[in-house]
Amino acid sequence: QKEVEQNSGPLSVPEGAIASLNCTYSDRVSQSFFWYRQYSGKSPELIMSIYSNGDKEDGRFTAQLNKASQYVSLLIRDSQPSDSATYLCAVNRRRDDKIIFGKGTRLHILP
Amino acid sequence: EPEVTQTPSHQVTQMGQEVILRCVPISNHLYFYWYRQILGQKVEFLVSFYNNEISEKSEIFDDQFSVERPDGSNFTLKIRSTKLEDSAMYFCASSGAGGAGANVLTFGAGSRLTVL
Repeated sequence: QKEVEQNSGPLSVPEGAIASLNCTYSDRVSQSFFWYRQYSGKSPELIMSIYSNGDKEDGRFTAQLNKASQYVSLLIRDSQPSDSATYLCAVNRRRDDKIIFGKGTRLHILP
Repeated sequence: EPEVTQTPSHQVTQMGQEVILRCVPISNHLYFYWYRQILGQKVEFLVSFYNNEISEKSEIFDDQFSVERPDGSNFTLKIRSTKLEDSAMYFCASSGAGGAGANVLTFGAGSRLTVL
C-alpha cells in the first residue's frame, strides 16, 4: 500500500461547482495532514493544514479528516478557473517525522 | 511575506560533474529540507536538517549527495557526480519550530537540474 494515495485525475469540475479531492494514508499514527497546490512548473504552496478529526474551513476551502478511516479530503467551493492545478496531499509520518507527499490529483475547472 | 529563495533556477550540467544548489531559508526557521520532483512524478523527500546536522534522509540520498549550512543563512545541496537520473526539480523548504509552524513547509521556487 502506498503511504499517501491520491487519484491522479484529471478531475474536471464546472466553474462554480464544488471540487472534492480525496487522499488516504497508511501510517495509522500520523497526526499532521496538509494540502498543497502546485501549478505546472511551480513549487507546492500550502493551502490547508489539519490536525484534528472533523472539518476545517478557510474561505472557499474545507479540509476534512477522519483518522479512523485514514482519510483526508479537500473541498473547494465555487471553483474558479484559477483553481486548476495539481493538489498534493501530504502526511507527517510519525516514526521519523518526515512529510510524505502523494502523487497529486490534477484538477481542471471548466469555464 | 518571508520566502525561501533558491539559486540557480535552472542548471544544465554534464554527467559526472558536481553541482551545488543553493537555498536561503526563511530567517527564523530552524528546520530545512530538500525534496526533488522528477518530471511528472511526485515530490520526494531527500533530507532534513536541524541544528547543523542531518536529522533524516531517504534512500535516494546516497553518498553522492551532501548538505551543508556553511554560514547563518545558506543551505546547500551538493551532488558530487551527477547521473542522468538526477535530472529533476529540486525544492528547498523550511519550517518553524513547534506549535502551528511545526511541519508546515514553505517551499522555494525550485532549481531545475538537467543532466546531459
